[in-house]
Amino acid sequence: DIQMTQSPSSLSASVGDRVTITCRASQSISNFLNWYQQKPGTAPKLLISDASTLQSGVPSRFSGSGSGTDFSLTISSVQPEDFATYYCQQHYRVAYTFGQGTKLEIK
Amino acid sequence: QVQLKESGPGLVKPSETLSLTCTVSGGSTSGYYWSWIRQTPGGSLEWIAYIYDSGRTDYNPSLKSRVTISVDTSKNQFSLKVSSVSATDTAVYYCARHHGSSWPNWGQGTLVTVTS
Repeated sequence: DIQMTQSPSSLSASVGDRVTITCRASQSISNFLNWYQQKPGTAPKLLISDASTLQSGVPSRFSGSGSGTDFSLTISSVQPEDFATYYCQQHYRVAYTFGQGTKLEIK
Repeated sequence: QVQLKESGPGLVKPSETLSLTCTVSGGSTSGYYWSWIRQTPGGSLEWIAYIYDSGRTDYNPSLKSRVTISVDTSKNQFSLKVSSVSATDTAVYYCARHHGSSWPNWGQGTLVTVTS
């Protein structure tokens, strides 16, 4: 399996801060990388596909970049509704695998 | 807007078979790939299997020996069976529809607890 490692595991930020979450794959996955946001008690929500394609309806303050083994998700100005857990997921090869998650908390 | 909903027993005894169904509304199961994904109490997400309406399937190798996925296009449903369950199979189980190899559409999830 391709291992996905996110950092940090948790992150404290204030409203308006710029935050970046990184995801590293154990081997090259080209741009076959998705990002999800999950709030307590709900299913994950797809934010970004193929490393940098913002899904319809997702605010433009979210952006993704990277290719190969190193990827990042950036929130340019954190809003109150952004406090959640974020997961990366590779779809380069079955078995699709997820990172362990990054919890974004209010400072 | 497609909607997905998982159903099945919330409690399963160790060594028994876990059976779940995902009912799709607002769209057809035909022409799409469908997956089961689970999330442990600790938050880890694990893809289990997918199926295409033609019956093409693929499984997570770590679970393949115990898992069966199937689809019933006439009922707009697809299903999951996990045999010989243990406490490590306790999780929230989600069904999801693919768009490529992304999952923009998810069910609400159903908690399955393995306990005697």
